Amino acid sequence: SQQGEEDPQALSIQEGENATMNCSYKTSINNLQWYRQNSGRGLVHLILIRSNEREKHSGRLRVTLDTSKKSSSLLITASRAADTASYFCATVSGTYKYIFGTGTRLKVLA
Amino acid sequence: GEEVAQTPKHLVRGEGQKAKLYCAPIKGHSYVFWYQQVLKNEFKFLISFQNENVFDETGMPKERFSAKCLPNSPCSLEIQATKLEDSAVYFCASSQAAANTEAFFGQGTRLTVV
Repeated sequence: SQQGEEDPQALSIQEGENATMNCSYKTSINNLQWYRQNSGRGLVHLILIRSNEREKHSGRLRVTLDTSKKSSSLLITASRAADTASYFCATVSGTYKYIFGTGTRLKVLA
Repeated sequence: GEEVAQTPKHLVRGEGQKAKLYCAPIKGHSYVFWYQQVLKNEFKFLISFQNENVFDETGMPKERFSAKCLPNSPCSLEIQATKLEDSAVYFCASSQAAANTEAFFGQGTRLTVV
C-alpha cells in the first residue's frame, strides 16, 4: 500500500508567495526525497534528505524531516508560475523501494 | 546515455493483446525500477532490478506482467492479455546505488487499452 500521504492535495497561491506541502509516512526510512512532475511527464528530482538530517536547503527549496513524527515538509519560497506542478515525496527504506506519496498539485497564479 | 530513455511514448492495445515497453537506464546505473501511474495520481511500485537480477517484485501482478533486464539490452516490461485497467503511464527509473541516491525517471510510456 502507498506509504506516504501528502497534504494539501491541491494548493493555489499567488506568484511571490510561499508554498508549503507536507508528507507523512508510516515506517522507518533511509531517506526521503521530493520530486516534481509537470503535466504527467517524468518525475524530476528536487532534493534528498537523509534520516539523520533535520533540514536541507537547495535554492528556493527548504525541506524538513521529523523522524519522530514520520513527517516531512517542502517549502518553496517566492513561488513562480513555472513552479506549477505536482509534487511528490518518496521514502526509501531497507528494500530500496521508492514509495511515493499521493502528491500535492500546486498552482501558482501570475 | 545521460537520461533514462523509454519507448514507445504512446502505445494503444486492444483488450487481450500483448504490450511491451522498453527502458534504457542511464549508463553505469545498477538499479532499475518500474512504476505505474494511473490518472496522474499515485505511483504504484511494480518491480526493481539490480543489474539483471530481480531485486524486488512485490508489486508485480504476476499472472500477466513480466519484466527483464538483460545485459547489453534495454530493460522491458511486458503485459500479456492486457485489460482496460492496465491503462496507465508506466515509468522507468534508474539509480546509481540503492541507498541515499536519487532516482532518475524517464518520460514514461502511456499505455491505452481499448
